[in-house]
Amino acid sequence: QSALTQPASMSGSPGQSITISCTGTSSDVGGYNYVSWYQQHPGKAPKLMIYDVTNRPSGVSDRFSGSKSGNTASLTISGLQAEDEADYYCSSYTSTSTLGVVFGGGTKLTVL
Amino acid sequence: QLQLQESGPGLVKPSETLSLTCTVSGDSISSTNYYWGWIRQPPGKGLEWIGSIYYSGSTYYNPSLKSRVTISVDTSKNQFSLKLSSVTAADTAVYYCARILAVNFDPWGQGTLVTVSS
Repeated sequence: QSALTQPASMSGSPGQSITISCTGTSSDVGGYNYVSWYQQHPGKAPKLMIYDVTNRPSGVSDRFSGSKSGNTASLTISGLQAEDEADYYCSSYTSTSTLGVVFGGGTKLTVL
Repeated sequence: QLQLQESGPGLVKPSETLSLTCTVSGDSISSTNYYWGWIRQPPGKGLEWIGSIYYSGSTYYNPSLKSRVTISVDTSKNQFSLKLSSVTAADTAVYYCARILAVNFDPWGQGTLVTVSS
């Protein structure tokens, strides 16, 4: 199963909004509403930020939102803050294996 | 509060078998709502799903690793385990365990670095 495609890096200034894309195929992102997003700070474990394309777990800031169009999912972070600087990974269910999961390559977000 | 903790050797020799255990506290591993899984991250690289297990013992593996992976569960100890055979340097990674709802990993353990080297 091939990894989902994310931009390697992105940057933004405090207060701005940024959108990270995650492109897959009809066998994963495009075929199912099972896209998740994870935030990972250096040396730390990933943290679930968005699940089922648009849903936020309890305790996650509403500055984080998710969407999907066709084979591409997106994570939008509004009102960028210094603490948002981290790596972000998308993931999706994949029909290529039972209960299979495929991750994106990750996007390093820098807050200028 | 649910916590997961990985444990096992930090150094494994090439061609040998990597063995890790994840101890779950704060919830029963026999919960019917959840699966439990392993994910790895080579140094400086992205995440890779290894496989998942249900408390009943049903397993689901990444096809790219399936021939070398065994995941098992011990409900009496509230633990699940990973074995990866015939390891090479390419298996050097931080290995995480996590609880899974549908295909969402939450929460994760802190991770443990396993280095494959002679």
